[in-house]
Amino acid sequence: AQSVTQLDSHVSVSEGTPVLLRCNYSSSYSPSLFWYVQHPNKGLQLLLKYTSAATLVKGINGFEAEFKKSETSFHLTKPSAHMSDAAEYFCVVSLTGFQKLVFGTGTRLLVSP
Amino acid sequence: GAVVSQHPSWVICKSGTSVKIECRSLDFQATTMFWYRQFPKQSLMLMATSNEGSKATYEQGVEKDKFLINHASLTLSTLTVTSAHPEDSSFYICSARGGGANEKLFFGSGTQLSVL
Repeated sequence: AQSVTQLDSHVSVSEGTPVLLRCNYSSSYSPSLFWYVQHPNKGLQLLLKYTSAATLVKGINGFEAEFKKSETSFHLTKPSAHMSDAAEYFCVVSLTGFQKLVFGTGTRLLVSP
Repeated sequence: GAVVSQHPSWVICKSGTSVKIECRSLDFQATTMFWYRQFPKQSLMLMATSNEGSKATYEQGVEKDKFLINHASLTLSTLTVTSAHPEDSSFYICSARGGGANEKLFFGSGTQLSVL
């Protein structure tokens, strides 16, 4: 069975500073990995996905994530935080594309002026 | 972009009553819809997978007689929580898969159910 662990329930950064949201996964086979963002009162939005192509995946809004098999990690980064980035972020793993997604517990990103 | 509309966004009901939650894909045909549940400070858990015109597939531990899922058309799936009890209080989210060859998955904004 696959699972994901989001290491931080909350991350606080100042606007303009880098963002790092950590995610470790467990999977018996080559997984698909995703990052989703959820703003208040809105649906989950796909930020980026890894499906065994390039290990560095670029997503929307300046976010990117690097798949590191040796560390079983898929951390999400952004060079410079914006106030609009404040939201809940979910790391997700799947063995079958968009079928049977397994979600992490989420990381709330707080951005201060 | 594609949008999934989920209604209601929140609902309060008395114990023993039934509640229906709707999930609509607004500008694409969703061959498959998924229903998730999220308890406070926990991750989203897949409850069931719903394919248009066929019976839903429920995950282990999910009572199919309590959580009735209907996917009668390519744009609408409904989740009915029957004889709701306080322990059914949770955040329910649907998602819809579509896009043909360029497969995508879109989520609704969720429904907060509170059973008194």
